[in-house]
Amino acid sequence: TQLLEQSPQFLSIQEGENLTVYCNSSSVFSSLQWYRQEPGEGPVLLVTVVTGGEVKKLKRLTFQFGDARKDSSLHITAAQPGDTGLYLCAGSSGYALNFGKGTSLLVTP
Amino acid sequence: GAVVSQHPSRVICKSGTSVKIECRSLDFQATTMFWYRQFPKQSLMLMATSNEGSKATYEQGVEKDKFLINHASLTLSTLTVTSAHPEDSSFYICSARVLGGENSPLHFGNGTRLTVT
Repeated sequence: TQLLEQSPQFLSIQEGENLTVYCNSSSVFSSLQWYRQEPGEGPVLLVTVVTGGEVKKLKRLTFQFGDARKDSSLHITAAQPGDTGLYLCAGSSGYALNFGKGTSLLVTP
Repeated sequence: GAVVSQHPSRVICKSGTSVKIECRSLDFQATTMFWYRQFPKQSLMLMATSNEGSKATYEQGVEKDKFLINHASLTLSTLTVTSAHPEDSSFYICSARVLGGENSPLHFGNGTRLTVT
């Protein structure tokens, strides 16, 4: 199993602040995916990054895949209370996905 | 598109009984489905890979006789927790990929909250 380390594990910020979540591994992945999960629900896909160095933007969210395809980051600009949730990175290991431990984000008004 | 439906969403059962959870791909066919388990405030741990028409592949440490998986059709996989105990209480989530290779995203069901009393 290829391990994915996420940091920070917990993050509590105020509305309007910026934040970055990191996902690191010693293994190379063919792709990395970011999901967001709300309590009592399944994860919802945010983005898939495939190419080393790739940057993708989704409104106020910016995702980057490391050049060596071992790490990724998620940056949120001007966070809003609606961004609250568990953010999970996941890497392909064969045909299944292995998940990092997640970053629990709380954005307060 | 690519909707995965999981049923039931919540179940409470007594210790020693068995519980079946269904996972359906509603608008696509999935030869492979994945079953994950999630404890409170923790990430998803892969339990097993369910293969249509053949035996499931279990991750290390997951008891195949306790967590029975049946993938009888291209749109349905079931997970049966046999002789459930309180330590089996957890959030069980299934997922499936639209046919397209390992870089295509997984689509998740909404999970089943199992409570064993």
